[in-house]
Amino acid sequence: DAGITQSPRHKVTETGTPVTLRCHQTENHRYMYWYRQDPGHGLRLIHYSYGVKDTDKGEVSDGYSVSRSKTEDFLLTLESATSSQTSVYFCAISDSVNTEAFFGQGTRLTVV
Amino acid sequence: LAKTTQPISMDSYEGQEVNITCSHNNIATNDYITWYQQFPSQGPRFIIQGYKTKVTNEVASLFIPADRKSSTLSLPRVSLSDTAVYYCLVGPPGGTGFQKLVFGTGTRLLVSP
Repeated sequence: DAGITQSPRHKVTETGTPVTLRCHQTENHRYMYWYRQDPGHGLRLIHYSYGVKDTDKGEVSDGYSVSRSKTEDFLLTLESATSSQTSVYFCAISDSVNTEAFFGQGTRLTVV
Repeated sequence: LAKTTQPISMDSYEGQEVNITCSHNNIATNDYITWYQQFPSQGPRFIIQGYKTKVTNEVASLFIPADRKSSTLSLPRVSLSDTAVYYCLVGPPGGTGFQKLVFGTGTRLLVSP
């Protein structure tokens, strides 16, 4: 399996608090992505990165920010968590060699 | 990116062949068709990718007709462990760099004994 680690794997937080999810890779892949998965919606792209300090918005980026200060780490921050951000979050990586994108195990976030 | 349509769910029994069809009427000339598999509580995993005709690997076969407006993922002799959600994606080929993967709701396959 590709070396992708998401932390934490589970988190419960209160509405209005900031939350940071971490994605760490050991594959030296250039591209990193954050998705959220909700029943009836499949996976939706939140933000992505195409290099250190280079990030861009996906289709559901409102309420989220990201940072990538090192190749191996991609952080997703919920600036002020809301109940609508309760979801399972997946990190993914890809490069210019492999056909496939590799996904992490996911982080289950509950906002109460 | 082309939109895809696939059945919401399918049922099968162990040992049977399962064919999941995906419609992508607006597929672009440069688009490839890619399938991912997702088990409960795990991230999606790449299964197969193709452009036209037939592609086969150790896991599945992918059939793409000449007009490329649809494709069929074929899983030979399924087992209980093939119970998962299967996603059909259409877009630029993997391995070229950035992959803007657009997942629909997928097909939930249930394999029974």
